[in-house]
Order: sequence, then structure tokens, then C-alpha cells
Amino acid sequence: ETGVTQTPRHLVMGMTNKKSLKCEQHLGHNAMYWYKQSAKKPLELMFVYNFKEQTENNSVPSRFSPECPNSSHLFLHLHTLQPEDSALYLCASSQEGRADSVLTFGAGSRLTVL
Amino acid sequence: QKEVEQNSGPLSVPEGAIASLNCTYSDRVSQSFFWYRQYSGKSPELIMSIYSNGDKEDGRFTAQLNKASQYVSLLIRDSQPSDSATYLCAVNSGTSYDKVIFGPGTSLSVIP
Repeated sequence: ETGVTQTPRHLVMGMTNKKSLKCEQHLGHNAMYWYKQSAKKPLELMFVYNFKEQTENNSVPSRFSPECPNSSHLFLHLHTLQPEDSALYLCASSQEGRADSVLTFGAGSRLTVL
Repeated sequence: QKEVEQNSGPLSVPEGAIASLNCTYSDRVSQSFFWYRQYSGKSPELIMSIYSNGDKEDGRFTAQLNKASQYVSLLIRDSQPSDSATYLCAVNSGTSYDKVIFGPGTSLSVIP
């Protein structure tokens, strides 16, 4: 496995379901991110973890709950979502502390909330 | 409110022409600038980064940065149909990547 892998690639859930998105990076990076991409809107940063510590939470509703057990894995736990939460959820990683640090994105998880 | 703005397009150019994509940003202290390409249904991939005023060339791609005008652009020479995608401008104001703000993207269509 190389790069950033996300599972599942597609997820359909009802508003009362509980599900989780998983992300794993194989790049040795020390920072991981969740972004949300909705149609016709810019990428929205949701959460940032540096060295497993959450450093950013962009006023994300509590129905989204991140978990970062180590520097290689990142989860996004979902519960009681709304139809407007349907979007592409992108995981990314980077190596902080480098002047040329850039984001590497996973393929994304396409979420549909019914 | 820090913003990054791009023309949403779609921008259509004939094959072999130069495609010019523009981006403006509001935060004057921005330090790092990136162009990502995103094919339909795929995730963004980095194609150019630029940190100082002037031009930076990489193959058919040239990034141009003018910090005084708060403007960054991407030129694609000899455009190919495979260049058809959405191009995202991203700006980082801080020293860590969690300060990156993305523009809405410009849709480019290269007509054979």
C-alpha cells in the first residue's frame, strides 16, 4: 500500500445509522486532516491532527467525531447525520515542519445520507 | 474572512492552446501557494507550488505569483484533452498546513 488510502469509497446511510470512515497514510507524515467537499463549494477543512493531537476543529457539528489513534490512522465517526451532510470526505496527510510541506489526499469516501 | 477566489468557469480552450487560470486571495501575509488538479470523481493532486514572486515552470505548467497584487495564476501550454479537470488554487497563510484555504476551483475543458 502506498500514499493515503480511504475506506469505504462509497457509503449510503440513513439518518439514524452510525458508521465510520477510515484513513491510513503510508508516507510517514506527522499530520492528518479531514476535508469535506460538497458540490459547487470549496474544500472545507474539518479537523487537523498533528502528532495525534487535534489542533483544529472548524466548528464541525458534534455528529462528526474524529479519532486519531496513531500518526498513521485517522477515523471519522458518523452518527445521526443529515441529508445535507452528503458529500465527498477527503483525508489528507502532510509532514509539518518542512517549508515545502504539501498535502497528499486520499481517494475520498463518497457519503450519501438518506 | 480570509478568501481565495477563482473564476468557476467552465473555461474552454482548443487543443494546443494556452489555458490561463487565475486566483486572487485576501490575506496579505500568505506565504505558500498551490495549484491542485482534480479530475471528476477523483481526489485533488498537487501539480505546482510557488513561494516567491515571479514565475515557476514545470514542463507545460507555469505558475505566476504577484504578492503585491495578491494574485497567482497557472498557465498550461499546449493544452491537451487530458488536462480537462477542475483546478483548485490553495493558499497557506501560516507556517503549518492547517491554515490552507482552497478556492472553489475552475473547470477547464480542452476541446480536441
